[in-house]
Amino acid sequence: DTEVTQTPKHLVMGMTNKKSLKCEQHMGHRAMYWYKQKAKKPPELMFVYSYEKLSINESVPSRFSPECPNSSLLNLHLHALQPEDSALYLCASSQDTGHYEQYFGPGTRLTVT
Amino acid sequence: GQNIDQPTEMTATEGAIVQINCTYQTSGFNGLFWYQQHAGEAPTFLSYNVLDGLEEKGRFSSFLSRSKGYSYLLLKELQMKDSASYLCAVRAPLRGGYQKVTFGTGTKLQVIP
Repeated sequence: DTEVTQTPKHLVMGMTNKKSLKCEQHMGHRAMYWYKQKAKKPPELMFVYSYEKLSINESVPSRFSPECPNSSLLNLHLHALQPEDSALYLCASSQDTGHYEQYFGPGTRLTVT
Repeated sequence: GQNIDQPTEMTATEGAIVQINCTYQTSGFNGLFWYQQHAGEAPTFLSYNVLDGLEEKGRFSSFLSRSKGYSYLLLKELQMKDSASYLCAVRAPLRGGYQKVTFGTGTKLQVIP
C-alpha cells in the first residue's frame, strides 16, 4: 500500500464554520506534512510532523490547527477561515524527514465563502 | 532564504526530447527532487539527486551540479500524457536538525502532436 488518502475531496465552508481535513497513510512513514497550494503556484509547506511531534510550523495563522493522533493519521482543524484561505490542501508522508521522497495525497479542494 | 527558478512554460512535440532546467540558491543543500503534477492532481515523485551526475529512470533522467546550483530533468520519447507541470524541489537543513523541502514555481509542459 503506497497510498496517502485524504478526506473530504471537496469542502465548502463559511467563515464562521469549524471543519477538519483528514489524512491517512499505512506505509509506516514517520513524517507527515501539510501543504497549501494555490492555483498555478507550487505547494507551500505549512506543518511537518516527525514521529507524531510537530517539528515545523511555517508561521501558519492559528486558524489552522494541526493534530497527529497517531503515526498513521494527520488532521488539520479549520476555524474562522478567510476567503483567501481557499486552496488545495495537500497531505504528504515520507519514511522520515531525511533523504526520502514524499508521497502526496490527492488533496482537499477548500472553498471559503 | 531559498530561491528556485524554472521556466514557466515549455512546448514540445510528441516523440521528441525535452530538457527542463532548474537553478537554485539555498541556505544549505540536502538533495533535489523532481515531481510531476497533472492539473488538479497531487504531485508524484519522479527523481532524487543528492550527488553530482545523471540519474536515469526509464524515459526520465535527472542531472545535478551542486557547484553550479543547477539541475535538469530530461524527458525522452515524449507522450501526450507527459503534459503536466514539473516541479523542482530542494531539501535544505533547518535549525534543530530538521529538513525542509521547498518547491520551485514549476514548469508547465505541453506536448503537441
